[in-house]
Amino acid sequence: GAVVSQHPSRVICKSGTSVKIECRSLDFQATTMFWYRQFPKKSLMLMATSNEGSKATYEQGVEKDKFLINHASLTLSTLTVTSAHPEDSSFYICSAREHQSVKLFFGSGTQLSVL
Amino acid sequence: EDQVTQSPEALRLQEGESSSLNCSYTVSGLRGLFWYRQDPGKGPEFLFTLYSAGEEKEKERLKATLTKKESFLHITAPKPEDSATYLCAVQSTNDYKLSFGAGTTVTVRA
Repeated sequence: GAVVSQHPSRVICKSGTSVKIECRSLDFQATTMFWYRQFPKKSLMLMATSNEGSKATYEQGVEKDKFLINHASLTLSTLTVTSAHPEDSSFYICSAREHQSVKLFFGSGTQLSVL
Repeated sequence: EDQVTQSPEALRLQEGESSSLNCSYTVSGLRGLFWYRQDPGKGPEFLFTLYSAGEEKEKERLKATLTKKESFLHITAPKPEDSATYLCAVQSTNDYKLSFGAGTTVTVRA
């Protein structure tokens, strides 16, 4: 199956700092990448959809100025949490879709803890 | 808006005790219904995609079925390593994003 690498797996930061999370498709070209957020024992909530070379489309209620998404190449998307606050602490997961495929493959997730 | 409801929330099984998980859904137009397995602190692992009512897919001890309103994930003679949270998601014909249910956490005791 397709491999999606997400880094880092865990990050602890101080309130007010910015954190960047990387998502890479290792063995395929990802025309579309998705970013999800998951709270403990809850399901995945879609934050945004990004297509290579285009601006990301954010779901209702997600602050695009706080969660900056870049999808500059067919194998890399990044999520930057700007001016992080404790309420941004969560498990962030990326997924990627290959062109002309309906399947989404997920990264291993990033646990963000903001102190 | 697409909606996915999974039941039960949690399921405790004895090793070898077969059972089924339910996923009820509403979607404007179904492109596909997906089943994933998620272990604690990890991302979802792809299991199956079902595209039309009547379709069935199998993988080891797991079998997924689909009707126009729901999907079932049958676990036959489970082993402790089958313990995980099983997530169901739908993909509409409008786009490729997945809408997830809350999951069923399965615990299999030896």
